[in-house]
Amino acid sequence: GIQVEQSPPDLILQEGANSTLRCNFSDSVNNLQWFHQNPWGQLINLFYIPSGTKQNGRLSATTVATERYSLLYISSSQTTDSGVYFCAVLLRRTYKYIFGTGTRLKVLA
Amino acid sequence: DAGVIQSPRHEVTEMGQEVTLRCKPISGHNSLFWYRQTMMRGLELLIYFNNNVPIDDSGMPEDRFSAKMPNASFSTLKIQPSEPRDSAVYFCASSLFQWKTANEKLFFGSGTQLSVL
Repeated sequence: GIQVEQSPPDLILQEGANSTLRCNFSDSVNNLQWFHQNPWGQLINLFYIPSGTKQNGRLSATTVATERYSLLYISSSQTTDSGVYFCAVLLRRTYKYIFGTGTRLKVLA
Repeated sequence: DAGVIQSPRHEVTEMGQEVTLRCKPISGHNSLFWYRQTMMRGLELLIYFNNNVPIDDSGMPEDRFSAKMPNASFSTLKIQPSEPRDSAVYFCASSLFQWKTANEKLFFGSGTQLSVL
C-alpha cells in the first residue's frame, strides 16, 4: 500500500521561529490535506491542497504532486501552534484518505 | 452547521462488554469515515461509507467490530465483546464526495476516548 511519511517526527521551537514540515508519499494521489491536532485532541483541517501553494495567515502549504511531496510552512510560531501536524492523502484508486505518521511540534514561550 | 457530532466523548467499560459509538455527519455530506488513533499505530482508517453503503471495511480489525449507517445522518461503530487492546480514540469524519473531481475536504468529530479495563 501507499506509504505516507512525515518529517521531522518531533520539533521544538522557540516562539517566533519559522519551520518547515514535510510530507512524502509513495504513489499518485487525488489530493492532500494538512491537519493540526491540538493538545485537546481535536483534528482541525488546515489546507486542502492537491497541488500548488496556498496561504492562510502565518501558515502556507505547497504540494508538488509530480514529485510526491508537500510542505507546510509555519512562520512566527506561537505557543498555540503546538500539537501534532498530519498530512493525509486521498488515493486515486480507492478514494480513501490515508494519514501520515505526524510531526509533533512544541513551541516554547 | 454544528459539525460532525460524536457521542459519547468518553467511555469506560469492562472487558467483554458491548460498546457502541455514535456519529452524526455534517448535513449534506455523502461520505463517512471511522478512524482509530493509538500511539503505536497512529490514525487508522477502519471503514468508510458512501451514500450510506459500506465501501471499504478492510481496516476493521476483526469480527468483533461492526459498523452501520442506517441513514444519511447517523452511523454506529460497535465492538462486541470489547478487549483492553481496543482502548483508543475513535474518530468519525465526513465529507462531500464528488466522483469527477475527487474533491473532498475531510471534517472530523471530537472523538470518543474508549478505555476497556
